[in-house]
Amino acid sequence: LAKTTQPISMDSYEGQEVNITCSHNNIATNDYITWYQQFPSQGPRFIIQGYKTKVTNEVASLFIPADRKSSTLSLPRVSLSDTAVYYCLVGDNTGGFKTIFGAGTRLFVKA
Amino acid sequence: DSGVTQTPKHLITATGQRVTLRCSPRSGDLSVYWYQQSLDQGLQFLIQYYNGEERAKGNILERFSAQQFPDLHSELNLSSLELGDSALYFCASSPLEGALGGYTFGSGTRLTVV
Repeated sequence: LAKTTQPISMDSYEGQEVNITCSHNNIATNDYITWYQQFPSQGPRFIIQGYKTKVTNEVASLFIPADRKSSTLSLPRVSLSDTAVYYCLVGDNTGGFKTIFGAGTRLFVKA
Repeated sequence: DSGVTQTPKHLITATGQRVTLRCSPRSGDLSVYWYQQSLDQGLQFLIQYYNGEERAKGNILERFSAQQFPDLHSELNLSSLELGDSALYFCASSPLEGALGGYTFGSGTRLTVV
């Protein structure tokens, strides 16, 4: 299982771009990188998933360098409502896969 | 509404008792995952089922058991409850066995053991 390392916490201000980097040095060839957002007392919510290069959707972008040993979640122009915990996971699609959430990154957006 | 339904939303019970948490996955999803989240803690993976069969086990205590039924809903049984079992229990589902496409989580069951 690929272990992930993220910063424990980050602070930002409204309107800024926030980049959260996740390290996954032993990522396997078949692994995907997925990011989730969790608000207090709610279940995590899928944000974005990628395999290589760059993926963008309506809420975020995911940048993955060629060696895939890290990835960066980019949140454009954050608002107070983006204050949450963000989790990075790596894993493949084979049977027996275990989804291991790390401690995540607590993002606090200030006015 | 994520499409994953968990019942009940809240449960208060005494130590030593047994409870059953229920999860209905999103329509079309074959995999169900159970997680435990204690106060201010991370999500602990408990167990995964795929199309009725156990696929992976995490840090699930022997006092806990789960199953997935033919209609794909799943139940998590917690017995001989202890104060430390108080937590949020989340169920997630996915179309296939693994990570592709991501997981959809329910809103959780908050269990309080007194």
